[in-house]
Amino acid sequence: DTAVSQTPKYLVTQMGNDKSIKCEQNLGHDTMYWYKQDSKKFLKIMFSYNNKELIINETVPNRFSPKSPDKAHLNLHINSLELGDSAVYFCASSQVGTGDSYEQYFGPGTRLTVT
Amino acid sequence: GNSVTQMEGPVTLSEEAFLTINCTYTATGYPSLFWYVQYPGEGLQLLLKATKADDKGSNKGFEATYRKETTSFHLEKGSVQVSDSAVYFCALGGSNYQLIWGAGTKLIIKP
Repeated sequence: DTAVSQTPKYLVTQMGNDKSIKCEQNLGHDTMYWYKQDSKKFLKIMFSYNNKELIINETVPNRFSPKSPDKAHLNLHINSLELGDSAVYFCASSQVGTGDSYEQYFGPGTRLTVT
Repeated sequence: GNSVTQMEGPVTLSEEAFLTINCTYTATGYPSLFWYVQYPGEGLQLLLKATKADDKGSNKGFEATYRKETTSFHLEKGSVQVSDSAVYFCALGGSNYQLIWGAGTKLIIKP
């Protein structure tokens, strides 16, 4: 009964390709996030959705497009992959508007390698 | 703007040593403060939190006290174990329920 799951866990692809990463949470949370973690473990917020609406959209290339078909899913599509996109991508979720609004539950990560 | 500064790692200690990982913050008002931990190959998980000044968060033997005078939230543990080896992130609660993250501190515990 995984709380936040991501697929795939590993993704190796060539420059110029298009790929998607999927995320699902079964916690009943209303907010989901995508983060990028680089090789030095620095964590950067990319997007956040609350009840399927985009609320955080940091400075991220247009090649990255999130999509939230429902509250439990947040997918990330990446066009024209570049070498610099290689990183670990984490999905997370939280229930905002409560005392635990900032408690985010993370998925296991997707390690993307662009060659 | 709001920001979090953590001590640079890696921090290398022997088992049963005392641990301190420093964290200071810059913020308007009094945001909630957090420590998250990332074990190798896993996602982050909440370790402890403090929601107001002088609060002490604690979990799994780790503690951190919210000090508004020094704008700090240092993580401590009295006796570390090899299983504590991980990357530790300090964070503060920002607008839109966004967490403002520190750079992370890698902790290595040697037996």
